[in-house]
Amino acid sequence: QVQVVESGGGVVQPGGSLRLSCAASGFIFNNYGMHWVRQAPGKGLEWLAVVSYDGSNKIYADSVKGRFTVSRDNSRNTVSLQMNSLRAEDTAVYYCAKDLRKGDTSVIFDYWGQGTLVTVSS
Amino acid sequence: EIVMTQSPATLSVSPGERATLSCRASQSVGSNLAWYQQKPGQAPRLLIYNTSTRATGIPARFSGSGSGTDFTLTIRSLQSEDFAVYYCQHYNNWPPFTFGPGTKVDIK
Repeated sequence: QVQVVESGGGVVQPGGSLRLSCAASGFIFNNYGMHWVRQAPGKGLEWLAVVSYDGSNKIYADSVKGRFTVSRDNSRNTVSLQMNSLRAEDTAVYYCAKDLRKGDTSVIFDYWGQGTLVTVSS
Repeated sequence: EIVMTQSPATLSVSPGERATLSCRASQSVGSNLAWYQQKPGQAPRLLIYNTSTRATGIPARFSGSGSGTDFTLTIRSLQSEDFAVYYCQHYNNWPPFTFGPGTKVDIK
């Protein structure tokens, strides 16, 4: 069965950095784009970034462009999100999600991890 | 940027009744609309995509309809496990794309 498991969350000071990881299994990883989506406490969902199936294409939301970097390692079935220059408003649960469509990116998220909490606070 | 709105913000429904949730886009998104369900403390779950296609394993009591700017998620005969927050999301001409603010379905 498809599994997506995030890790790496924690408490970080404003201006600091954190790297989130996502381990995937149960599907042919290098066939699918992978996304990061976050949810601030008590708030809605915000898409952050996508990396294409082969890692050649990366797209970011304006809110994180230039601060966050998404990458993937298809040999290890993992996706990462490097977060720099963190702000209080980046406090959220961060989800890794699999794209529905094989090959091309559909931006439909058919499997999600359980999320990892990032708290930006001094 | 296309803005998504959902109504009502909260919908109180008795078990066994029908729930009708609305989602509106500020401009046409064609049929590029998905619905997700989120229960407290859990990740969202994909219910519907392409306006009306049920995702794998989603019961037939969930159905989606609409096109352009107005969309509806209908839950026929609500079960106890259906009380949750429901989000719509467009994926037309992205980025950017956005989720709606959500509709909470609670027990009447």
